[in-house]
Amino acid sequence: NAGVTQTPKFQVLKTGQSMTLQCAQDMNHNSMYWYRQDPGMGLRLIYYSASEGTTDKGEVPNGYNVSRLNKREFSLRLESAAPSQTSVYFCASSAVLGPYEQYFGPGTRLTVT
Amino acid sequence: RKEVEQDPGPFNVPEGATVAFNCTYSNSASQSFFWYRQDCRKEPKLLMSVYSSGNEDGRFTAQLNRASQYISLLIRDSKLSDSATYLCVVLSNSGYALNFGKGTSLLVTP
Repeated sequence: NAGVTQTPKFQVLKTGQSMTLQCAQDMNHNSMYWYRQDPGMGLRLIYYSASEGTTDKGEVPNGYNVSRLNKREFSLRLESAAPSQTSVYFCASSAVLGPYEQYFGPGTRLTVT
Repeated sequence: RKEVEQDPGPFNVPEGATVAFNCTYSNSASQSFFWYRQDCRKEPKLLMSVYSSGNEDGRFTAQLNRASQYISLLIRDSKLSDSATYLCVVLSNSGYALNFGKGTSLLVTP
């Protein structure tokens, strides 16, 4: 029973490099989310996808792009990494948008030097 | 004023103690509230939803005070395994975005 999986678990990038964080869920959920968590800050929503084929910006979308590849997968791309993007990134999913439990993946710890 | 505010702690309590956390929220129109638990270097997990009438789940009790715009979490008979960060979460007006507090750290000691 995998739930939400994320790859990679850890990554170190140099400023200007690009990378894609992968997320997949096996709960047949319609909605998926990307958050970042920084020390001293709450989790902040980067992008979300209400359902397959749709994506929308969250609170802090600048510097990121997303792709809802299919119902299971939702990827986050950093085109040109900056030190300010050093963070822990969590993917989450829920059955639908709304006041429902969100299930989180184990996170990706990203350092940009 | 931040959307969701919590005392960061840490709260250090002995096993068996009762501990309470409060959280305030700024948007009086908020309708849905949650407590999530996050263990060190792990992902957040839903602990419980918070209902208007208050709700209890074993040793955990959540209360909502709409007039004062605060949410509380009471943990009775604390266990070592309760040591974690507790995140107060409020559903935003968007109806989909969760606003997370920064969390309250709890350490239960033997």
